[in-house]
Amino acid sequence: DTAVSQTPKYLVTQMGNDKSIKCEQNLGHDTMYWYKQDSKKFLKIMFSYNNKELIINETVPNRFSPKSPDKAHLNLHINSLELGDSAVYFCASSHLNEKLFFGSGTQLSVL
Amino acid sequence: GENVEQHPSTLSVQEGDSAVIKCTYSDSASNYFPWYKQELGKRPQLIIDIRSNVGEKKDQRIAVTLNKTAKHFSLHITETQPEDSAVYFCAASGNTPLVFGKGTRLSVIA
Repeated sequence: DTAVSQTPKYLVTQMGNDKSIKCEQNLGHDTMYWYKQDSKKFLKIMFSYNNKELIINETVPNRFSPKSPDKAHLNLHINSLELGDSAVYFCASSHLNEKLFFGSGTQLSVL
Repeated sequence: GENVEQHPSTLSVQEGDSAVIKCTYSDSASNYFPWYKQELGKRPQLIIDIRSNVGEKKDQRIAVTLNKTAKHFSLHITETQPEDSAVYFCAASGNTPLVFGKGTRLSVIA
């Protein structure tokens, strides 16, 4: 069984479109995250949710809106996609701020 | 907030040699220091971690050392093999989520 699963794995879309990425974890963790990995491989945190509540929102444009219907799910919705949004987006979960378990990533390409 | 610096950004070693990657952190409240390995096209995976009450930890060919006073920690890989080739990330956390270093691309040359 996959511990942290996210879909889709690949997302190719036009500028200006709206898209969503879904994430689910079956580890019973209380905290979920979204990280962005750019072309230089930098891993940067975007959002952190603890028990469905937003804990951290780094300097991310408000076109990005996370939604956590329950503590096992954290989805990411992106409005008005821009070229610079192209990256790999990783969902992750952990207990407190420790061992992160990553999803397999979503490679977003904005054309 | 926490800031993690990682060096070098790229590292090439001959198969069988050792590799060392170093990181420094800024927040003295950080108490958890994991290392992740990311192979091409895959997710980062935890390979070893250390907590602030321990100075060194070893798991087969991999070891991590921590110097809390100097706020730095290092990853040591001995007897490197081609399958060790990957990007390695250090990270630190305490009261805030994990902050990652910028990664080291390790190439092991056969």
